[in-house]
Amino acid sequence: SQQGEEDPQALSIQEGENATMNCSYKTSINNLQWYRQNSGRGLVHLILIRSNEREKHSGRLRVTLDTSKKSSSLLITASRAADTASYFCATAPPIGSGTYKYIFGTGTRLKVLA
Amino acid sequence: NAGVMQNPRHLVRRRGQEARLRCSPMKGHSHVYWYRQLPEEGLKFMVYLQKENIIDESGMPKERFSAEFPKEGPSILRIQQVVRGDSAAYFCASSPVGTSVIIDEQYFGPGTRLTVT
Repeated sequence: SQQGEEDPQALSIQEGENATMNCSYKTSINNLQWYRQNSGRGLVHLILIRSNEREKHSGRLRVTLDTSKKSSSLLITASRAADTASYFCATAPPIGSGTYKYIFGTGTRLKVLA
Repeated sequence: NAGVMQNPRHLVRRRGQEARLRCSPMKGHSHVYWYRQLPEEGLKFMVYLQKENIIDESGMPKERFSAEFPKEGPSILRIQQVVRGDSAAYFCASSPVGTSVIIDEQYFGPGTRLTVT
């Protein structure tokens, strides 16, 4: 498996339900970010969590980070049809690692049914 | 304040032709990243540039691909002698000058969809 794997690959829920998606990574990170991509569009930055943080909130989004397990989760509460999109995690390498390569996960395709 | 701009949005090339993709970062941003996305996949890092410098090109194929970010003008991703396997969406992202080496947030352009026939 490669850095930045997400599960599930696809998720279908009813409007109003919560959606949880997970991201696992392999190497040390400076921070982890979640992005949303609507079909055929560019990515929109949702939230960033640093390696020394465990949880972060932004509106209906809640992100957790467990560096011991090298995993993160994104929770979207009270989902709406407009949340239908693909969600990607991306890891930024540690400062001084010699690389600037952000690594994106494979994505979770979320479909929210009205 | 205009966001990151990419053009063209769609580009069709025959095998063997050259493709030039342009990215204008947000105003005040001097860092540009290029990514490639195949259908149903995540983004794959290609190259990271600052003005007039290639900082990290570890994701660029060794042949046919090149990138630049001149002092004036947009960043250019150039693909020579395109092949069908180059068909993909190419995204650029820009970041502002920061005090740390790692830039926190990237702002993405809408992408260029390259189709090689």
